[in-house]
Amino acid sequence: AQSVAQPEDQVNVAEGNPLTVKCTYSVSGNPYLFWYVQYPNRGLQFLLKYITGDNLVKGSYGFEAEFNKSQTSFHLKKPSALVSDSALYFCAVRDITSNQAGTALIFGKGTTLSVSS
Amino acid sequence: DGGITQSPKYLFRKEGQNVTLSCEQNLNHDAMYWYRQDPGQGLRLIYYSQIVNDFQKGDIAEGYSVSREKKESFPLTVTSAQKNPTAFYLCATEAFFGQGTRLTVV
Repeated sequence: AQSVAQPEDQVNVAEGNPLTVKCTYSVSGNPYLFWYVQYPNRGLQFLLKYITGDNLVKGSYGFEAEFNKSQTSFHLKKPSALVSDSALYFCAVRDITSNQAGTALIFGKGTTLSVSS
Repeated sequence: DGGITQSPKYLFRKEGQNVTLSCEQNLNHDAMYWYRQDPGQGLRLIYYSQIVNDFQKGDIAEGYSVSREKKESFPLTVTSAQKNPTAFYLCATEAFFGQGTRLTVV
């Protein structure tokens, strides 16, 4: 079965420091991987995705993520955190070789990022 | 917002009442999805549709119904059979989400 794990419910960093939000996945085939950010009472905003190619993916707002096939991970990173980055972050996977649930994304439970000034 | 419009933003339902959440997209995407979000549980798939006039149950379809009469529209009805409907509902296409509807039972 497909699954996504975000092992940390909350990540706390100081403004200006680098941040990492962790994500590991399990799929039977080849994954499409996504990161989203959610602000209170808002929908999910797309940050970046990995489909194929370079393992380092750059996305919106200075975020990037590294696909590691051997560790089945797709951690989100940013070199210098901003207070405005404080939000809820979701990792998601789509198994492109499985037709389970069509092409629906499977989500982790989310990680709350808190950046202090 | 990715061209997906959900309405209303807030909705209140009385016990035993059916309510319908609207989702419209102008992205010309074939597939559409409804997710439910509860605190600490991430997003769970309710229904999905890969093409007009076809839809499939997701992981938590009980108490919900959908229709897909047009490519642009995928409304979700929360029926009285849904025992715990208070949640945040999100409509999506391939990778983009609407702004959500917060449903509260009063």
